[in-house]
Amino acid sequence: GEDVEQSLFLSVREGDSSVINCTYTDSSSTYLYWYKQEPGAGLQLLTYIFSNMDMKQDQRLTVLLNKKDKHLSLRIADTQTGDSAIYFCAGPNSGYALNFGKGTSLLVTP
Amino acid sequence: KAGVTQTPRYLIKTRGQQVTLSCSPISGHRSVSWYQQTPGQGLQFLFEYFSETQRNKGNFPGRFSGRQFSNSRSEMNVSTLELGDSALYLCASSSQGVTNTEAFFGQGTRLTVV
Repeated sequence: GEDVEQSLFLSVREGDSSVINCTYTDSSSTYLYWYKQEPGAGLQLLTYIFSNMDMKQDQRLTVLLNKKDKHLSLRIADTQTGDSAIYFCAGPNSGYALNFGKGTSLLVTP
Repeated sequence: KAGVTQTPRYLIKTRGQQVTLSCSPISGHRSVSWYQQTPGQGLQFLFEYFSETQRNKGNFPGRFSGRQFSNSRSEMNVSTLELGDSALYLCASSSQGVTNTEAFFGQGTRLTVV
């Protein structure tokens, strides 16, 4: 299966940009996803990028994909306290399953 | 368009009992997959169904089973519950499968085994 690695914790100040990084091993993934999970809740699909793209922007969110290094990042501009949550990157494998990282806990301080 | 609905939201069961969890996917979606989320193991894949057929199963014991109905609703069953089965169980809905279409998750069922 695929290994997906993420840093576990990130703390930023309100108004700053946040960058959450992820590395993956399976180069056959067609989509790569970012999910957000708030306490006690399910996973919210934030954004995704096709594997043939380098960048995708969606309002405050920018996803960068470096296929050569198998590196994916999520940038959140003007981070707000409501962005505090756990962020997961995920990639599908050929077995119809998503491989998830352990999640990055983002803490936004006033 | 309604999202993914999982019922019940919370369950408390005793060791040795069995439990059935339900997932109604987004209308028109034919793929439903299930995941177990625990603090120690993170998110782990249980199984995936597409048009009533199981296409893949994760590395879980046979006590974990599932099925999908003709209306794409899916159920998963855990028999002979163990304390370690306490987890958040999430289902994901996608039109063709996560390999090539977006996957949307429900709010999950929080299972506590005592």
